[in-house]
Parts: sequence; structure tokens; C-alpha cells
Amino acid sequence: GQQVMQIPQYQHVQEGEDFTTYCNSSTTLSNIQWYKQRPGGHPVFLIQLVKSGEVKKQKRLTFQFGEAKKNSSLHITATQTTDVGTYFCAAGSGNTGKLIFGQGTTLQVKP
Amino acid sequence: NAGVTQTPKFQVLKTGQSMTLQCAQDMNHNSMYWYRQDPGMGLRLIYYSASEGTTDKGEVPNGYNVSRLNKREFSLRLESAAPSQTSVYFCASRRGSYNEQFFGPGTRLTVL
Repeated sequence: GQQVMQIPQYQHVQEGEDFTTYCNSSTTLSNIQWYKQRPGGHPVFLIQLVKSGEVKKQKRLTFQFGEAKKNSSLHITATQTTDVGTYFCAAGSGNTGKLIFGQGTTLQVKP
Repeated sequence: NAGVTQTPKFQVLKTGQSMTLQCAQDMNHNSMYWYRQDPGMGLRLIYYSASEGTTDKGEVPNGYNVSRLNKREFSLRLESAAPSQTSVYFCASRRGSYNEQFFGPGTRLTVL
């Protein structure tokens, strides 16, 4: 079945450094979503990308969808301690709304 | 609006016991989902209900059953719990044709 690989699994950064997590699929994706989960919390939707080559920004967060719609990335500029958590990509699947989640990247930020 | 609610928040079971995890949403969403989350494995879909009256298997349905009681409620049942079912269980619902999912706070289940 469809699989979504996400790297790295963990990332430790100093506050103020940048952070990037990558999501890759062997098949073309119809859309991809990104979620953030704070420690002990539940996943919270960040954004959805649909178009080939799409780039969206949310303040310090930049989301990209690859030209071939097989990969995506999330980049955080100048990390803050509030960015701590696990970031998941999830591949959408048709009208059922089913999502295939990547394994997640856990970000720790040292103040 | 409470969003998506789940009960209980924590549960400890012995092997072979049964239990039902409850989920309700007050956002008038058509679709609802059950996931389990294990360390290093992301979230895996157990069952989903695309609309009231329908249910379908996800990636890891073995050992579970579901009931879509009405549009608001979607329950997950473990008939005979096993230690491999120790996990955090999340319920989610979907808003219309825009594929954003809203998650509940989760149930932390331990099977001894």
C-alpha cells in the first residue's frame, strides 16, 4: 500500500536555528497535509498542499509540495521554544478523507 | 463547541478483557476516524466512517470493531484486549470536502 517516509526522525536545534523536515512518497500524491503534535497532545492541522510546486507560508513556517507531487517539506526559520513538538506529514486519499501519516519528526529546541 | 471528545482519557486492561472507547463530535462532520499511535510509527488508521451508516477498515483493523451510532458518535471496541494493543488512540472527524481532520485528546490504553 501507499507509504510516506519522513526524515529525520529527531532533530535538536539551538533556538534561532532553522529546521527542515522532509516527506517522500514512491507514488504521486493527490494532496499532502501537515500536522503538529505538542508533547502529550493531539495532532493539530497546519496546512494542506494540493498543487504541483505549491509553496505556502505561515509566519516562520514554509511548506512546499514537489513538482512531481511525490515529496514535500516543512521549513521553520529561526526556531523558538514554542516550536517544540512532532511534525507529521499525511498523504490524502480521495473523498474518504483517509490519511496515510509519515512517522513524524520530533523537534527539540534548546533555549 | 467542544470539538471532538473522547472517553476515557486513560485505561488499564488485563489481557482478554473487553472495552469500548467512545468518541463524539459536535461539528456536524460527516466522516470520522480511529487511529492508534505508537512510538516511531506515526498514526495508523484502524477504521473509518465516511458517512453515517457506513464503516470501513483502515491499515490495522485486526482485533477491533467499530460502530457509527449516529452522525455525532463513533465508538471503537476491543473484544479481547492483547498487550500489542497498548497504544494511544485518537479519534478524528473531517470537515466537508476540505480534507482537514480534527483530532480528539486521545485515550491512553495499557494492556497488561
